[in-house]
Amino acid sequence: KNEVEQSPQNLTAQEGEFITINCSYSVGISALHWLQQHPGGGIVSLFMLSSGKKKHGRLIATINIQEKHSSLHITASHPRDSAVYICAVARGSARQLTFGSGTQLTVLP
Amino acid sequence: EAGVTQSPTHLIKTRGQQATLRCSPISGHTSVYWYQQALGLGLQFLLWYDEGEERNRGNFPPRFSGRQFPNYSSELNVNALELEDSALYLCASSLQGTDTQYFGPGTRLTVL
Repeated sequence: KNEVEQSPQNLTAQEGEFITINCSYSVGISALHWLQQHPGGGIVSLFMLSSGKKKHGRLIATINIQEKHSSLHITASHPRDSAVYICAVARGSARQLTFGSGTQLTVLP
Repeated sequence: EAGVTQSPTHLIKTRGQQATLRCSPISGHTSVYWYQQALGLGLQFLLWYDEGEERNRGNFPPRFSGRQFPNYSSELNVNALELEDSALYLCASSLQGTDTQYFGPGTRLTVL
């Protein structure tokens, strides 16, 4: 079993829909990251969470430390949101990231 | 402020050759991380350097090595290239002791 599990693997939505991507992890962590990867490979860090909830524009990320679960929400989705979204965790002093397998999101106009 | 830069963008080598990939972190960042994204395998941690020292390495053979220079830039060397080394190699940097990592655009290595 992978230390970081994401669901769903693939997600197709219509423009304007509310989207949720889930991430579960099985180890103790110091921080959880949500990353966005566009075709061509470039990765952008969207959020880093150690507790609670963060919001940036139409993106919201939450984390429940007790349940070892995080969600990434996109409100009013747009075709430009189409990308791979990756959950990654850092474990204490071992600051390197362990990654989930990613969620391929396609938003249709 | 310039972000993390990597060179070259693309690199084509043949099996058995050596590849050298370079990374310049954001100014002020002392930690550099290397990750491999091979097709179908997702992102995997390779190496972590901080203050010129190797702090940790992932589950990769010794032919993957690197170093960090006094200006905190870093080099990843892959010796005796194998076909399965074909991947996108990403570098990230962070301030010492912090968790937020900033990623570079990556180097796409193709081994023929």
